[in-house]
Amino acid sequence: VQLVESGGGLVQPGGSLILSCAGSRFTFSTYWMTWVRQAPGKGLEWVANIKEDGSESYYVDSVKGRFSISRDNAKNSVYLHMDSLRPEDSAVYFCAREGSTSSFFEYWGQGTLVTVSS
Amino acid sequence: EIVMTQSPATLSVSPGKRATLSCRASQRIGSNIAWYQHKPGQAPRLLIYDASTRATAIPARFIGRGSGTEFTLTISSLQSEDFAVYYCQHYNYRPPWTFGQGTKVEVK
Repeated sequence: VQLVESGGGLVQPGGSLILSCAGSRFTFSTYWMTWVRQAPGKGLEWVANIKEDGSESYYVDSVKGRFSISRDNAKNSVYLHMDSLRPEDSAVYFCAREGSTSSFFEYWGQGTLVTVSS
Repeated sequence: EIVMTQSPATLSVSPGKRATLSCRASQRIGSNIAWYQHKPGQAPRLLIYDASTRATAIPARFIGRGSGTEFTLTISSLQSEDFAVYYCQHYNYRPPWTFGQGTKVEVK
C-alpha cells in the first residue's frame, strides 16, 4: 500500500488550497479514506473522512463549512479542499486508508505541510 | 465528542524494561480503540486495533488491553526503535474520531 500526498505550501490567511492523495497497490474504491493533521508541536487531529463511493463524509467541527473532502476512484485519489484558511490550520496533513471493517487508520502517507501566514 | 485522555504525558524508561501507557475514554467505547506510534518526520504507524489486535508485522512485545473506558498499551521490553510518541484513537459508532494527546516514551 502506498499513499502520496501533494499540494501543500504557503498560503495567506483567508486563502484556499487543495491537497491531493494518490493511493496505489490496493483497491482504492473499497476503502474509506481519511485526512489527519498535526500542527507544529501538537498531537494528531482527525480532520475528515469519506466513504468508499463518496456518498458520505464527516468533518471535525473546527473545519466544517470551510473544508470539503472528495474522491475520484478512477484516479485512485482523495482530495481536501480547504477554504478560508486560518493560521491555526497550519499543520502537516496526512492521508490515511481506514481499516476494512472499522475506522482505524491502517496505512498512512508521509504528509504534506500547509503553512497559513501573511 | 468523546475525549481520549492519555497518561502519563512522558514516560522515561530504560532499554529492556517494560513500559505501560494508559488511555481513558470519556464514555464507553467497547473495544473500538487503536494505538499508533509516531516518530518525528515519519508517518504514524498503526500498532493495535480493536483494543488488542496487533496490526500486520507488529512485534509481539506490543500488547493492547482493555474495554469500555480504560485501555493500556504495554511494551514488554523496550527496544531502541520503540522510543517515540504513542497515541490512542477511538472509532466508536460515528465521527468525530478523536486522538489522545500522546505519550512520549523517552530513554531514561
